[in-house]
Amino acid sequence: NAGVMQNPRHLVRRRGQEARLRCSPMKGHSHVYWYRQLPEEGLKFMVYLQKENIIDESGMPKERFSAEFPKEGPSILRIQQVVRGDSAAYFCASSPEREQYFGPGTRLTVT
Amino acid sequence: GQNIDQPTEMTATEGAIVQINCTYQTSGFNGLFWYQQHAGEAPTFLSYNVLDGLEEKGRFSSFLSRSKGYSYLLLKELQMKDSASYLCAVRDYNDYKLSFGAGTTVTVRA
Repeated sequence: NAGVMQNPRHLVRRRGQEARLRCSPMKGHSHVYWYRQLPEEGLKFMVYLQKENIIDESGMPKERFSAEFPKEGPSILRIQQVVRGDSAAYFCASSPEREQYFGPGTRLTVT
Repeated sequence: GQNIDQPTEMTATEGAIVQINCTYQTSGFNGLFWYQQHAGEAPTFLSYNVLDGLEEKGRFSSFLSRSKGYSYLLLKELQMKDSASYLCAVRDYNDYKLSFGAGTTVTVRA
């Protein structure tokens, strides 16, 4: 059973460009969570999705950030018009119910 | 919301024991998790406590006291590979999301 997969592992964007981060949950998991980890800081919850539904997006900035988990395909976290402050590691986790299993993360660098 | 505190850094000697404390304040409680995270890697699940008491899993044990809002992770027979950040996370009763502490960086020295 493959683990949570994320791609790309590293992403470099210039200020103003768009970043698209993908997450494929573990097989059989229907819950997906996105977290952001800034350097030297803890993981911060961004959004919780189930298939075709956003359940909780209370941790996601209101502007420029959006997330989806379509019926088919991976979950996508989209950041429009990136700024330097968006540079961070973005982790996706999936869960059957209780514990969450994390993917390897996407390290976004905005230049 | 959640307020989760854990020490920033700890250092211990190979073969020794280290205890990482975590205190939390929450409006509701539905479980406490410990994760290990090596630099540049994903957090990996270590343990889960929802009832008071000690959960033992090999060299790692985790304890919970809900009345005190307190947990600890005990690492025994430390090995060099245990050098990592250890994250305490709490799940609220009405939520599925995890609220994480800032993590405790453990350095194991020979």
